[in-house]
Amino acid sequence: DAGVTQSPTHLIKTRGQQVTLRCSPKSGHDTVSWYQQALGQGPQFIFQYYEEEERQRGNFPDRFSGHQFPNYSSELNVNALLLGDSALYLCASTLRGSSYEQYFGPGTRLTVT
Amino acid sequence: AQSVTQLGSHVSVSEGALVLLRCNYSSSVPPYLFWYVQYPNQGLQLLLKYTSAATLVKGINGFEAEFKKSETSFHLTKPSAHMSDAAEYFCAVSAASGYSTLTFGKGTMLLVSP
Repeated sequence: DAGVTQSPTHLIKTRGQQVTLRCSPKSGHDTVSWYQQALGQGPQFIFQYYEEEERQRGNFPDRFSGHQFPNYSSELNVNALLLGDSALYLCASTLRGSSYEQYFGPGTRLTVT
Repeated sequence: AQSVTQLGSHVSVSEGALVLLRCNYSSSVPPYLFWYVQYPNQGLQLLLKYTSAATLVKGINGFEAEFKKSETSFHLTKPSAHMSDAAEYFCAVSAASGYSTLTFGKGTMLLVSP
């Protein structure tokens, strides 16, 4: 049973560029959440997707956007990258009605120079 | 609104000693509580969860935690530390109803010496 997968593993971008990160949820899961983990900090909630719509959003600017596809996979897009966007981006999937247990992927390490 | 406070950014123990990682939460609604572990350059692995059933929760790798509503605490313990327990530990809270978004603490790095 495949767990949550994310791609790419690492990414280096320049300030002002745009980036797209990808996530495939655990088999049978229909809800995907994205988190940003800055160095030395706990993960912070960015947004959650369910039925191809953004269901809830954390305190992140509109430069952060996402998408969920019919197969439940998801993308996170960040525009106009800032140095402060350098972080580990984690994707988590949940099966609706499962006591809210979230399964996390290995993350994408984004470095903005 | 919800928040989590983890006391101590670093905790050092000797192998075989008791592990105690502290977590206090604030929540305006009944909470679900979680402990996750993160090894270097990896994602988060769920250790255990409290979802309003038994207040003493047992997890993987010999860890357990007790939900104490009166103290708004959910401390993580393990009777005897192993070298392989060295990692970063995160406490998290979500609302027991509504959407399953997690609010994390800042984490506690557990260091285990021989």
